[in-house]
Amino acid sequence: DAKTTQPNSMESNEEEPVHLPCNHSTISGTDYIHWYRQLPSQGPEYVIHGLTSNVNNRMASLAIAEDRKSSTLILHRATLRDAAVYYCILSGNYGQNFVFGPGTRLSVLP
Amino acid sequence: DAGVTQSPTHLIKTRGQQVTLRCSPKSGHDTVSWYQQALGQGPQFIFQYYEEEERQRGNFPDRFSGHQFPNYSSELNVNALLLGDSALYLCASSLVAEGRHGYTFGSGTRLTVV
Repeated sequence: DAKTTQPNSMESNEEEPVHLPCNHSTISGTDYIHWYRQLPSQGPEYVIHGLTSNVNNRMASLAIAEDRKSSTLILHRATLRDAAVYYCILSGNYGQNFVFGPGTRLSVLP
Repeated sequence: DAGVTQSPTHLIKTRGQQVTLRCSPKSGHDTVSWYQQALGQGPQFIFQYYEEEERQRGNFPDRFSGHQFPNYSSELNVNALLLGDSALYLCASSLVAEGRHGYTFGSGTRLTVV
């Protein structure tokens, strides 16, 4: 069973920042937080991951709460190509228990 | 650098038949996981193979079986197909020593059971 909860859907305007929340209150000390996204008719695509500290890459930023019970994926300037289902996933140190939930469907409005 | 490749991309089978799906992992990866994704839902974990053995299994019946070959490629077999087996089947690969970095997914095989 998924160990994360996310809103079913969110909307954003193009070129505005988007904050996608994820709750994972039962996270263990060794669980990594992963974010993937899936565009229509494609496999899930890696976005970002982290353990305790906030992380940045060219696609997004990941803000992790101090108690690690929640995290937020930040897309700094949404584009139409960012419209996808975003999944927040917890997994062990060796990638075990990599379980998807229903994810958040992000719509980007022009 | 080739990512994860799956074949075939699309497949139509009749109820009761058997099907084999194939997956070649990303170069350098040693672990393969399989997922089933029904329309409108998130991927559901089927099983994971490492060192040619099933290491972890999700809540799927024994009709679903797999295999990993010495070159790390993998097959997913489904026997006695049901209409409810119609789904996108995703293969993902990883390097067990770096599993914390997550998986690389293929584009999937769309299976339709009629």
